[in-house]
Amino acid sequence: DAGVIQSPRHEVTEMGQEVTLRCKPISGHDYLFWYRQTMMRGLELLIYFNNNVPIDDSGMPEDRFSAKMPNASFSTLKIQPSEPRDSAVYFCASSWTGANTEAFFGQGTRLTVV
Amino acid sequence: GQQVMQIPQYQHVQEGEDFTTYCNSSTTLSNIQWYKQRPGGHPVFLIQLVKSGEVKKQKRLTFQFGEAKKNSSLHITATQTTDVGTYFCAGPRMGRGSTLGRLYFGRGTQLTVWP
Repeated sequence: DAGVIQSPRHEVTEMGQEVTLRCKPISGHDYLFWYRQTMMRGLELLIYFNNNVPIDDSGMPEDRFSAKMPNASFSTLKIQPSEPRDSAVYFCASSWTGANTEAFFGQGTRLTVV
Repeated sequence: GQQVMQIPQYQHVQEGEDFTTYCNSSTTLSNIQWYKQRPGGHPVFLIQLVKSGEVKKQKRLTFQFGEAKKNSSLHITATQTTDVGTYFCAGPRMGRGSTLGRLYFGRGTQLTVWP
């Protein structure tokens, strides 16, 4: 398996634009996580899915953020409209059984909103 | 709420010196995981500890899980430049209402090694 695949690796966009980040988890993993990493706040869990169902979205900053998992092999994180404070590295991770097994992280998407 | 505190935030050592990072949770953890993130990279799983008082070793790295399952440490003996990176601890919450999925990450300890 190629691991968790995220795209794009880098994204630069103007404030107000819509941004969509994509993730393909490792095949067979039942859990998918979206994290955001910044110097100020560290690694924050935004939302996670179990068997394609959102379980905990309490980390989603506000209504501008939304995430979907239409099937077991694909998830998106959308920011609309984007703001400069959304600039961060966004990681997708997947695991077999949630927090009791190791999480495999993707390479991340570095988002810059200007 | 659940918090995982990690200290120190930064550590600068000369190559060959030892390094330790500590992780403390406000609640009991069912397990503790350690990850390493190289500069510009993504977190990579190192190890998981499950049992109270457990100690595991990976070459120069020694991981410990406290008796009360609320704290953990990672010790690196004789650091090398390849050890550079940020080390994170992470753990799920135990007890009623806990969800299987949520991992709480510490802020990490950023290790710099001077040659």
